[in-house]
Amino acid sequence: KNEVEQSPQNLTAQEGEFITINCSYSVGISALHWLQQHPGGGIVSLFMLSSGKKKHGRLIATINIQEKHSSLHITASHPRDSAVYICAVNPRTQGGSEKLVFGKGTKLTVNP
Amino acid sequence: GAGVSQSPSNKVTEKGKDVELRCDPISGHTALYWYRQRLGQGLEFLIYFQGNSAPDKSGLPSDRFSAERTGESVSTLTIQRTQQEDSAVYLCASSSGTLYYGYTFGSGTRLTVV
Repeated sequence: KNEVEQSPQNLTAQEGEFITINCSYSVGISALHWLQQHPGGGIVSLFMLSSGKKKHGRLIATINIQEKHSSLHITASHPRDSAVYICAVNPRTQGGSEKLVFGKGTKLTVNP
Repeated sequence: GAGVSQSPSNKVTEKGKDVELRCDPISGHTALYWYRQRLGQGLEFLIYFQGNSAPDKSGLPSDRFSAERTGESVSTLTIQRTQQEDSAVYLCASSSGTLYYGYTFGSGTRLTVV
């Protein structure tokens, strides 16, 4: 079993729909990251979370440390949101860690 | 530079040959990370450099893989005696401090071993 599991693997939505992507992890962490990988391959960091909730534009990320679970929500989805969304965690280690452990990603397609 | 620059963008090599991949971080970024993404797989951490500290090499998959970085400048990832399973996109990222301060990815080098 991977340390970081994402669901669903693939998601197709119609423009305007509310999107939720889930991430579960099995190790203690110092932080969780959400990244976006565009069809051309470029990767952009969206959020880093250690507790609670963060919002940026139409994107909202939440984390529940006790349940080892995070969600990424997209409101009023648009075709330009089509990308692979990747969850990654910093495992908690003595002295801190800069190592990220990644999920396999969720491929989102938003149709007009 | 304005962004993280990686070269070459594509590399095709014969099995058994050595390859060098280059990463130019954003100027002033002290931290540099290498990752690998094999087809259909998630990203894998390879190695992390922070200034002049000893690098975290814990993600390197075998002793055929090595990386160097002098100070806060360019990094080179070297793969010796390449194998077909080394075919992947190799991604570099840099940060002004740690991941906490945000990080920027390069566009990657697509390595194909034939």
